[in-house]
Amino acid sequence: SQTIHQWPATLVQPVGSPLSLECTVEGTSNPNLYWYRQAAGRGLQLLFYSVGIGQISSEVPQNLSASRPQDRQFILSSKKLLLSDSGFYLCAWSSNYGYTFGSGTRLTVV
Amino acid sequence: AQSVTQLDSQVPVFEEAPVELRCNYSSSVSVYLFWYVQYPNQGLQLLLKYLSGSTLVESINGFEAEFNKSQTSFHLRKPSVHISDTAEYFCAVSDAGRGSNYKLTFGKGTLLTVNP
Repeated sequence: SQTIHQWPATLVQPVGSPLSLECTVEGTSNPNLYWYRQAAGRGLQLLFYSVGIGQISSEVPQNLSASRPQDRQFILSSKKLLLSDSGFYLCAWSSNYGYTFGSGTRLTVV
Repeated sequence: AQSVTQLDSQVPVFEEAPVELRCNYSSSVSVYLFWYVQYPNQGLQLLLKYLSGSTLVESINGFEAEFNKSQTSFHLRKPSVHISDTAEYFCAVSDAGRGSNYKLTFGKGTLLTVNP
């Protein structure tokens, strides 16, 4: 069966520090992968999506970047965090049967 | 570009009462429609989806939604809610021409609170 792992579950980081969130998928090959951010009262915003290794599309200009070094690995990064980067980050993969979301990372920038 | 509007940010109801969570979308192309549910501090779970065929779709826990193309709506309904239905519900749309695994556009969510 297909599973998606996302870590860490919670993270508190100071302003200006770097960030690396990792997402891995098991049980499928060549999935479409997505990073969403959920801010209070704003729903889910698509940040990045990837249709293959090394292929990254950015949906909104921001302080974050994404990489896909392996077929089933998707990484969200920042060199210097801002207060506005706080939120709940969700990784997802999709197939013809729909989307599957990870359990999310609660990031608080202080 | 597509957009989704969930008209109610919060819906409080009493247990065993009926509920309707409203969703309207805007798109220049054919769409697939989805409802997701999120329990506190968890990821999203697919509740139900419309891809094609019958415009009325049902979930295993008693929710149903009807695709209305003329009104560009996909409202979610349940005839009798339980305390355990308390969660945030998100409506989402994707471009049908690109397949059901294309990127989703979400509404801002509706917090359903079921009170005893």
